[in-house]
Amino acid sequence: DTEVTQTPKHLVMGMTNKKSLKCEQHMGHRAMYWYKQKAKKPPELMFVYSYEKLSINESVPSRFSPECPNSSLLNLHLHALQPEDSALYLCASSQAATGAIANYGYTFGSGTRLTVV
Amino acid sequence: DAKTTQPPSMDCAEGRAANLPCNHSTISGNEYVYWYRQIHSQGPQYIIHGLKNNETNEMASLIITEDRKSSTLILPHATLRDTAVYYCIVRVAEDSSYKLIFGSGTRLLVRP
Repeated sequence: DTEVTQTPKHLVMGMTNKKSLKCEQHMGHRAMYWYKQKAKKPPELMFVYSYEKLSINESVPSRFSPECPNSSLLNLHLHALQPEDSALYLCASSQAATGAIANYGYTFGSGTRLTVV
Repeated sequence: DAKTTQPPSMDCAEGRAANLPCNHSTISGNEYVYWYRQIHSQGPQYIIHGLKNNETNEMASLIITEDRKSSTLILPHATLRDTAVYYCIVRVAEDSSYKLIFGSGTRLLVRP
């Protein structure tokens, strides 16, 4: 299995809703990442997890809450979002976030397209 | 902030080589250069990466200048399916982790 699987593919939520995005990989990768991509813009890094621990938070608002329950799974919990949070949310994984074994390609999922109404 | 500069758009004819340039004049000695592409807002697709030596795989070649301040991605025989946004990325270190910070990318149009 050489894929990163993201679910759901599409999500519409209200500003008072709580929802979660899920990301899964079975490549034995120990680093996982969340990116946000607005239309016609490059992906922006949100969070980096290394060995199931949060190592980088790119000053993301607290209404986005990441969770890494195990080495194969990464969640992004959403609460009280704003319409401007509508975007494509991408998950990625790599063998590691540091060290020589990090010097390989990063694998991205197809993303969850989120619309906040 | 991204450490790379790319032309916003390029085009080439189908069957010809596509040469995509990237400037990264502030790159540090141990920072890798990665190339990804993205088609129709799908997830970015890994193409190639390198540190200082030229690299080649089944998709492309990466030529890095000796001073490492710029690089060129070469698609040897472009097809219509190579139309995409191509991102040149310098992987940077922060605390104990690496991270890929995307720049603006080059929109490549392959013409029939």
